[in-house]
Amino acid sequence: TQLLEQSPQFLSIQEGENLTVYCNSSSVFSSLQWYRQEPGEGPVLLVTVVTGGEVKKLKRLTFQFGDARKDSSLHITAAQPGDTGLYLCAATGNQFYFGTGTSLTVIP
Amino acid sequence: GAVVSQHPSRVICKSGTSVKIECRSLDFQATTMFWYRQFPKQSLMLMATSNEGSKATYEQGVEKDKFLINHASLTLSTLTVTSAHPEDSSFYICSAVQGYDTEAFFGQGTRLTVV
Repeated sequence: TQLLEQSPQFLSIQEGENLTVYCNSSSVFSSLQWYRQEPGEGPVLLVTVVTGGEVKKLKRLTFQFGDARKDSSLHITAAQPGDTGLYLCAATGNQFYFGTGTSLTVIP
Repeated sequence: GAVVSQHPSRVICKSGTSVKIECRSLDFQATTMFWYRQFPKQSLMLMATSNEGSKATYEQGVEKDKFLINHASLTLSTLTVTSAHPEDSSFYICSAVQGYDTEAFFGQGTRLTVV
């Protein structure tokens, strides 16, 4: 069961451009996490957001948790080729579900 | 962060044989472990949730007789793919959590190829 829908599913942009990835659900979550995964490896945690409306920054990455704690966004400023990867949101609780994923390619 | 070790990282097996994948939490006790399957450029699909000492809870559509999960201790869970077929070829990843609503730590994944 995919509780979390991410958009877009695929994204290919030029180096230096900005982008936003969305993670949406009809369910309310106590917390939400964002991961980045490279091919052949496990996901790596980027951030956890727990408070509705919370904004967290990680260098060029800005994460926001929706006020109702049903959705989240990831904004990348001035994307670099090293940002290429699969970005996943995930909801925590009794089970651990991932969003549908966004495959990002940053072209030099 | 905590370390989760998954073994093997790659395995090739013949159709009809069984393959066991191990997931170990090396420096913490994992109350719950999760098993996922992933196809190229797609997200991780939760297969099952296992709690130490109890039967795993399988997601809808996942055959529990085909994907046997054992969580015998707080540091070890195993996934056995029984009577493997080429369509079972995939990337399998485990994760472990220490408690409810806490950070999950992931294994390195296992690339299974059934020939």
